Amino acid sequence: GESVGLHLPTLSVQEGDNSIINCAYSNSASDYFIWYKQESGKGPQFIIDIRSNMDKRQGQRVTVLLNKTVKHLSLQIAATQPGDSAVYFCAEPGEATSGSRLTFGEGTQLTVNP
Amino acid sequence: NAGVTQTPKFQVLKTGQSMTLQCAQDMNHNSMYWYRQDPGMGLRLIYYSASEGTTDKGEVPNGYNVSRLNKREFSLRLESAAPSQTSVYFCASTRRGYTDTQYFGPGTRLTVL
Repeated sequence: GESVGLHLPTLSVQEGDNSIINCAYSNSASDYFIWYKQESGKGPQFIIDIRSNMDKRQGQRVTVLLNKTVKHLSLQIAATQPGDSAVYFCAEPGEATSGSRLTFGEGTQLTVNP
Repeated sequence: NAGVTQTPKFQVLKTGQSMTLQCAQDMNHNSMYWYRQDPGMGLRLIYYSASEGTTDKGEVPNGYNVSRLNKREFSLRLESAAPSQTSVYFCASTRRGYTDTQYFGPGTRLTVL
């Protein structure tokens, strides 16, 4: 079936480095993708989204890249800080038969070392 | 604005007991959602309410019921809890539909013994 998945379950970086978190999707009809951040013990928090008619979208210290050819998106975090340590999820709309819902990936645990 | 609030934060039940998880949002959002989160499974939709007065099943509705009490509140009920329902439960809301930004509550950690 359709799925959203992440390439790496964990990512460890040094403070100040740039982080790249990847996500592969299989539903070629998806036209909207979202990245969420979830800190320990908290609910997911919206970071940034991108529509399929865009290749790149920038926010504050974050950039999302979308490559529709290979069905891949990535989240880049510039100058990673300890407060960025969290689990990051990508999400896409589910199939039409699945109702009104998002399909979430399992998540990548980002650890920032001081 | 408190955003999305959930009660309780933690709960331990015995198999067969019932309980209701409460969720409220103060953002005047139309749509509300209940998810469960299990290790290695990501977030899975249990039920959702596209608007006040409507509810629909999500991916994993078995063993649960919901009530959209009014525009603000959306409750999730476990009639006869089972150990397989041990999970963290999140409520979320969106202004319109699921393609809008979802705002999540802090979660309820439920253990069923």
